[in-house]
Amino acid sequence: AQTVTQSQPEMSVQEAETVTLSCTYDTSESDYYLFWYKQPPSRQMILVIRQEAYKQQNATENRFSVNFQKAAKSFSLKISDSQLGDAAMYFCALGERLNNDMRFGAGTRLTVKP
Amino acid sequence: ETGVTQTPRHLVMGMTNKKSLKCEQHLGHNAMYWYKQSAKKPLELMFVYSLEERVENNSVPSRFSPECPNSSHLFLHLHTLQPEDSALYLCASSQDQRGYEQYFGPGTRLTVT
Repeated sequence: AQTVTQSQPEMSVQEAETVTLSCTYDTSESDYYLFWYKQPPSRQMILVIRQEAYKQQNATENRFSVNFQKAAKSFSLKISDSQLGDAAMYFCALGERLNNDMRFGAGTRLTVKP
Repeated sequence: ETGVTQTPRHLVMGMTNKKSLKCEQHLGHNAMYWYKQSAKKPLELMFVYSLEERVENNSVPSRFSPECPNSSHLFLHLHTLQPEDSALYLCASSQDQRGYEQYFGPGTRLTVT
């Protein structure tokens, strides 16, 4: 069965600093995607970044980048130059191509201090 | 209007009421989903529809009844709910149901009294 684990319920970062959110997963499939979603206090879930499992190169989106360690089944999110608007719940998610399911982690609440 | 919309945004209902949640996606996607988000719990997938056919039902109580009349619309019919059903109900859509990224609506905050 697929599982997604986020071991950090809460994290905080100083504005303009860098923070890394951790995620580990488990799957028996070889064809899957990994995602980080952001849910600000307004509750709209927004896709931050995606990674295809078959790609070795780590995905990047502006200040957001991932460290994808396939063998270790680790998928961490790095936020550089943190901004106040980055404060939100961040969810790691795993989608398997053969399954009709997307499994989410429990989330990490990120606080950005001015 | 773009993206995924949900109505109503807030709903308070008694345990004997019948109500419906509506979701509409304007992205041309073929798959739609209902999730339940409770405090301090991971998102729980409730239902998956692909091309208007239900492909997943994760042991959801029968007091929740989904309906997908076309690929753009998804409903969740509610009846005789319990207080523990109070939660944020999120709708999402994706290109298809096989692992692609999902796009979420703003959710309906449901309170059962």
